[in-house]
Parts: sequence; C-alpha cells; structure tokens
Amino acid sequence: GAGVSQSPSNKVTEKGKDVELRCDPISGHTALYWYRQSLGQGLEFLIYFQGNSAPDKSGLPSDRFSAERTGGSVSTLTIQRTQQEDSAVYLCASSPPGAREQYFGPGTRLTVT
Amino acid sequence: QKEVEQNSGPLSVPEGAIASLNCTYSDRGSQSFFWYRQYSGKSPELIMFIYSNGDKEDGRFTAQLNKASQYVSLLIRDSQPSDSATYLCAVRYGGSQGNLIFGKGTKLSVKP
Repeated sequence: GAGVSQSPSNKVTEKGKDVELRCDPISGHTALYWYRQSLGQGLEFLIYFQGNSAPDKSGLPSDRFSAERTGGSVSTLTIQRTQQEDSAVYLCASSPPGAREQYFGPGTRLTVT
Repeated sequence: QKEVEQNSGPLSVPEGAIASLNCTYSDRGSQSFFWYRQYSGKSPELIMFIYSNGDKEDGRFTAQLNKASQYVSLLIRDSQPSDSATYLCAVRYGGSQGNLIFGKGTKLSVKP
C-alpha cells in the first residue's frame, strides 16, 4: 500500500519567509509525528499527534514553529520567519492504532538562504 | 536527560561476516526499542523492534535486548554490500505510542 508522503520534497526559502510542510500519513494511521534531522545530527522530535490532538508538543524549538492536523489525516508544519538554523530535513512518521513502530515518509529538505 | 548512545563508526566488515551494532540508553523506564536503517539521502526504514529481554530474529537480523545493562544490539549475519548504511537505534520511554529518542547512528560499511 501507499506509504507516508510528504510535500514538497525540497524547499528553498529566504530568511524571514514563512514555509508550510505537508504530511499525508498512511491511511488508517492515527498517530503522526514530526521530526527533523540536521546535517550530521540525529533525529530530533518536534511534535506528536493522536488523531487531531497534539498531546506532546515538547520538541517544538520555538514559537515560530506550529503544526496542525485535520480530519485525523493530513498534517501541516508551519515555520514562521525562517532562520538559517531551521535548515534541515523534516521527516514525518505515522503509526497504526495501538502500534509502537513508526513508519517514515521521504522527508522535506528545507534550505533557508 | 534521556539519551541514546551509539558508536558513530564507521564500522567496516567484509562481505559475509557478522556485523554487530550496539546502543546504550540512559533511562530504565524505556519500554520499546527500534532499529532503523538509513541510506544516504533517504529517510529511516524500520528494520526491527524489540520489547522483551532476549533475542528476536528476523531473517539475517537479530535484535538483542538487555534491560538490566540498558543495552540493545543488532546483529546482521552474512553481511552484504547492500547493508552499507547508517543504522539508527531508537528508544521509547513509556507507553505504546509517543515520540522516539534516536541515537546519532552507526555508519556500517560492508566491503566486497
């Protein structure tokens, strides 16, 4: 079946602009996660959704970052007033109900110039 | 601070050998343990997960968990050049769902 999809695959933006990153989880997966991976760094957790609710937003690095999920499916991660340190690969993952494992999408490579 | 530690490598093994990848974690409350493979420029791909002490085998892969020592490992038997990748260890602290804490990964190189 179809895996997790993310768009765009690449995004180049100027410092100070806002960006929106989209994630389509696997159909039927209730849990959705956002992570980011900077060059040479490990995966850093950002936010977790269960349905449309976000029980854990502890990883969002600043109030410039926000995310929402609608209809228990698609999620959008928004970064306002982007900074160069926001440059990273943003990865989305999803899990089926009650399952522990997470399945990752291909990621969005964000470059802030 | 909850941490997951891995040797960054590179770990180099000849084709056909056993590759042994190790991971330690800091919090005894950890309940779920995962190994992901990440090829350069690609996203992580789930290989195995383990919840109970002991070994879990899946084809050429064996995950080993020792909660008393806070240690989890991944063995790859009959290593192939296509196994060359970065292997990420991930840990969940409590609950069946919620975020994973990732190590920085061990780079494995399998030489033909």
